[in-house]
Amino acid sequence: EADIYQTPRYLVIGTGKKITLECSQTMGHDKMYWYQQDPGMELHLIHYSYGVNSTEKGDLSSESTVSRIRTEHFPLTLESARPSHTSQYLCASSDNKAGQYFGPGTRLTVT
Amino acid sequence: AQSVSQHNHHVILSEAASLELGCNYSYGGTVNLFWYVQYPGQHLQLLLKYFSGDPLVKGIKGFEAEFIKSKFSFNLRKPSVQWSDTAEYFCAVTLLGTYKYIFGTGTRLKVLA
Repeated sequence: EADIYQTPRYLVIGTGKKITLECSQTMGHDKMYWYQQDPGMELHLIHYSYGVNSTEKGDLSSESTVSRIRTEHFPLTLESARPSHTSQYLCASSDNKAGQYFGPGTRLTVT
Repeated sequence: AQSVSQHNHHVILSEAASLELGCNYSYGGTVNLFWYVQYPGQHLQLLLKYFSGDPLVKGIKGFEAEFIKSKFSFNLRKPSVQWSDTAEYFCAVTLLGTYKYIFGTGTRLKVLA
């Protein structure tokens, strides 16, 4: 079944650690996105990609980086986690017709 | 700056009441419009979308939305809400030819049984 997957679902990590949040989709979508969402708040776009080897920064300043080497995979990396990175991270993909499909999210806590 | 406004942050209704959630955007060009819903503990999922054509759009679970271009609005409606509609609702916009989605701040709906 076509879907979008995120791992891990929950992560608690210490300050200064490097982490990678995984996102994969099996829908063949060209476009993929990373959002940051605090509880009860709006979604903030932090990175997006229109296709392989194409990545752009979003509207929210972020210390993370992304890569898009394969169509289905769009990992997000934090080189040095800080408590201010504590949030929920949502991955999404889209085609030109149907809007965005969202993954279940990764809830990150940096201690 | 381009923005999407959802003026109702929290809405509390009794079952069978009618619902209307406001959404206004500030783009001057041609837009695609979306409503997403996030049920407690679940993914964000698409409720309905407008690309072109009939400005009255019907979505899943009895929801509909009307695009009024002159008012830059895309309000979400449901004639009779159910307890299971308790969720957070997000309006989103993309400008034609771009694929960046701009989201509103969301409206938290609570339906009392």
